[in-house]
Amino acid sequence: EDQVTQSPEALRLQEGESSSLNCSYTVSGLRGLFWYRQDPGKGPEFLFTLYSAGEEKEKERLKATLTKKESFLHITAPKPEDSATYLCAVQAPRNTDKLIFGTGTRLQVFP
Amino acid sequence: EAGVAQSPRYKIIEKRQSVAFWCNPISGHATLYWYQQILGQGPKLLIQFQNNGVVDDSQLPKDRFSAERLKGVDSTLKIQPAKLEDSAVYLCASSPTGTANEKLFFGSGTQLSVL
Repeated sequence: EDQVTQSPEALRLQEGESSSLNCSYTVSGLRGLFWYRQDPGKGPEFLFTLYSAGEEKEKERLKATLTKKESFLHITAPKPEDSATYLCAVQAPRNTDKLIFGTGTRLQVFP
Repeated sequence: EAGVAQSPRYKIIEKRQSVAFWCNPISGHATLYWYQQILGQGPKLLIQFQNNGVVDDSQLPKDRFSAERLKGVDSTLKIQPAKLEDSAVYLCASSPTGTANEKLFFGSGTQLSVL
């Protein structure tokens, strides 16, 4: 069965303290791996799509990377406004390409 | 550009009652999705429409859940009768064409509490 596991469940950082979030996956025939950000009381907001091992994408203080078994979301010098839940999702033809989401990492950045 | 609109924002019902949620996707988006997000979990796809046809409803509990997308625009998700375990946020999303690897645009969701 295809699975997505995110760690840690929760992460507290001081402003400026860089860290990484992990997304491990087991899926046959990965078509794409997605990162979304979800603020409290809101729907997920798209951040990145990664397609193949070795690929990297950046947006402001965020950088996503992909290997054959996992993806990392690196947060450099975070600010309080980066506080949110970060969701990872995978897409594969075997699952009719529907997104399979992990449970997310809840990030809190304190000033 | 207007986003995905959902209503109501919150709903509290008793078990065995019925409830309906409404979604208006981004104008011109052919594909519409309903997701269920239980507290502490990631969203789970319930049903996907391409225009007004169903693409995937394999995870929709069809004995109690139903959904329709009339005229290929807005959509309604209904639960009848509701169970305690249906307490969740129901998210609607849309995308332009529904092709693989296309990003989804989510609404803010309807938070359902079943007592």
